[in-house]
Amino acid sequence: DAMVIQNPRYQVTQFGKPVTLSCSQTLNHNVMYWYQQKSSQAPKLLFHYYDKDFNNEADTPDNFQSRRPNTSFCFLDIRSPGLGDAAMYLCATSSKGLRQPQHFGDGTRLSIL
Amino acid sequence: GEDVEQSLFLSVREGDSSVINCTYTDSSSTYLYWYKQEPGAGLQLLTYIFSNMDMKQDQRLTVLLNKKDKHLSLRIADTQTGDSAIYFCAEIHDNDYKLSFGAGTTVTVRA
Repeated sequence: DAMVIQNPRYQVTQFGKPVTLSCSQTLNHNVMYWYQQKSSQAPKLLFHYYDKDFNNEADTPDNFQSRRPNTSFCFLDIRSPGLGDAAMYLCATSSKGLRQPQHFGDGTRLSIL
Repeated sequence: GEDVEQSLFLSVREGDSSVINCTYTDSSSTYLYWYKQEPGAGLQLLTYIFSNMDMKQDQRLTVLLNKKDKHLSLRIADTQTGDSAIYFCAEIHDNDYKLSFGAGTTVTVRA
């Protein structure tokens, strides 16, 4: 059974039109992460939540925001998507404590028209 | 530049062993991970090892760690077509949550 679930698997939006990607988890993990992965590259961390504490990476564009209304759900909001934001977006979770392994969802492939 | 480096491509014949290599940064205390990514999918955690270990085996997978050279390898025995994927080496430092990934090794299994 899937433990980190991302919806939708494929998302198409228009240039400049806000889009929201969702992630849910059944692991009851404290930490949730959002990564951006472009073709033939490693995933790049955008931000993570430790419980309700939000931690933004220094080079994450302001265009990207996140919400975590409860332990199970986390959302990635892209306010005004540009062509360069087309990518695979991966959600991951880990339990409390440093160095815990991260468990990934299957990702959402975002296309920008 | 990246802290974790990997060879980019590996081609292996079905039934042979695959060895994927990785080097990592200097740290006295680090966890090292191997993830597998199939086309269009997320990352699947394969195995991980703490930097005070030399080896870890899990079924067809063997992880070897050379701390002196900061070199990590993943050996897949009896490689199957389903092993074709990108394999990422990653590390987390002792006081951090962030995974530092290598660029990924694309493994192609040929009949």
